[in-house]
Amino acid sequence: GAVVSQHPSWVICKSGTSVKIECRSLDFQATTMFWYRQFPKQSLMLMATSNEGSKATYEQGVEKDKFLINHASLTLSTLTVTSAHPEDSSFYICSARDQGQEEGNTIYFGEGSWLTVV
Amino acid sequence: QKEVEQDPGPLSVPEGAIVSLNCTYSNSAFQYFMWYRQYSRKGPELLMYTYSSGNKEDGRFTAQVDKSSKYISLFIRDSQPSDSATYLCAMKKWGFGNEKLTFGTGTRLTIIP
Repeated sequence: GAVVSQHPSWVICKSGTSVKIECRSLDFQATTMFWYRQFPKQSLMLMATSNEGSKATYEQGVEKDKFLINHASLTLSTLTVTSAHPEDSSFYICSARDQGQEEGNTIYFGEGSWLTVV
Repeated sequence: QKEVEQDPGPLSVPEGAIVSLNCTYSNSAFQYFMWYRQYSRKGPELLMYTYSSGNKEDGRFTAQVDKSSKYISLFIRDSQPSDSATYLCAMKKWGFGNEKLTFGTGTRLTIIP
């Protein structure tokens, strides 16, 4: 099946610094990628929809200036957490839609990235 | 009211039992229904997807959708310890541009050897 790769899997950063997480579709093209946040024992919370070549669409309550999303190519989207604070510590997961397939069964998830801000 | 409701569990069953996981939803615009399995500290893995109402079987897994009742189910037969995970239902509207998935809260399942 299709593979979505996230990097890094684990990252620890200091408060006030920025950290970038990459999401790559390895064997398909993805015009649309999604970024989620997941707290322990909770479901996935959609943060934003990343659109190749255009601005991301953010969900209500998500700070655009804090969570910068760039989707520069059909296989890569990045999430940058700027001026990170301990409350930003979370599990961040991306997903991507295989645009070459029919609807429904074509959204694949990455393995997730654990961010700890100290 | 949440668009998708799912019992968070936890649910513990003995090995070999049949497991039934369920979600209800309120938005009749949902047309695609998916079940994801998520192991601890990992991303979700797509198990099953169904378009509109009906049943779909894949090995030990069966997904059912009843749109008239706005109710979906996932059955796991001959459950194994490796099935222990969190199961998330997800739904999507039809049409290009309606890419967003709406998730249930997930049910934590433990299969006891």
